[in-house]
Amino acid sequence: NAGVMQNPRHLVRRRGQEARLRCSPMKGHSHVYWYRQLPEEGLKFMVYLQKENIIDESGMPKERFSAEFPKEGPSILRIQQVVRGDSAAYFCASSPPTGNEKLFFGSGTQLSVL
Amino acid sequence: SQQGEEDPQALSIQEGENATMNCSYKTSINNLQWYRQNSGRGLVHLILIRSNEREKHSGRLRVTLDTSKKSSSLLITASRAADTASYFCATGPMNRDDKIIFGKGTRLHILP
Repeated sequence: NAGVMQNPRHLVRRRGQEARLRCSPMKGHSHVYWYRQLPEEGLKFMVYLQKENIIDESGMPKERFSAEFPKEGPSILRIQQVVRGDSAAYFCASSPPTGNEKLFFGSGTQLSVL
Repeated sequence: SQQGEEDPQALSIQEGENATMNCSYKTSINNLQWYRQNSGRGLVHLILIRSNEREKHSGRLRVTLDTSKKSSSLLITASRAADTASYFCATGPMNRDDKIIFGKGTRLHILP
């Protein structure tokens, strides 16, 4: 049973380009979280999604950032017109429909903006 | 929304000693969870303690929960070099649609 899969592992973008980060939750999991982490800091909540539904996006910047979790396929975190300040590690976690008592994390995507 | 705050921010101890980390939170919870993060990796779930429990053990881990003080502690006994990592607490919400929020973590360094 594969764990949470995130890709790419590393992503390099130039300022102004778009970044698309993908997350495939564990089999049977219907809920996905995205978190952002800067070096030596904790995880900052961004968005909480259920299939085809955004439950809580209070941690998402108002502009340039969007997230989706379609009925089929992985969850996507999209950052448009990236800036240097977007450089960070982005982690995805999933949980089963029965409850969010335990999160299973992917290995993260390290985004570097040149 | 709930939030865990860990202390200390950083902790260095000799191998073989016990390490204690604390977590405080603000609102009512369903459970409290501890996670470990090795450098450059995702978080790994260590242990969950429910709001009606006071203490829980798992191998060399011991977690306590005091809901009256809104605090928890994680004790790692007989520390090993492999325990070097960051440790985070997270509060499990009462409502299924409430998000799980992590604190800033405690960076534990085990000295040889």
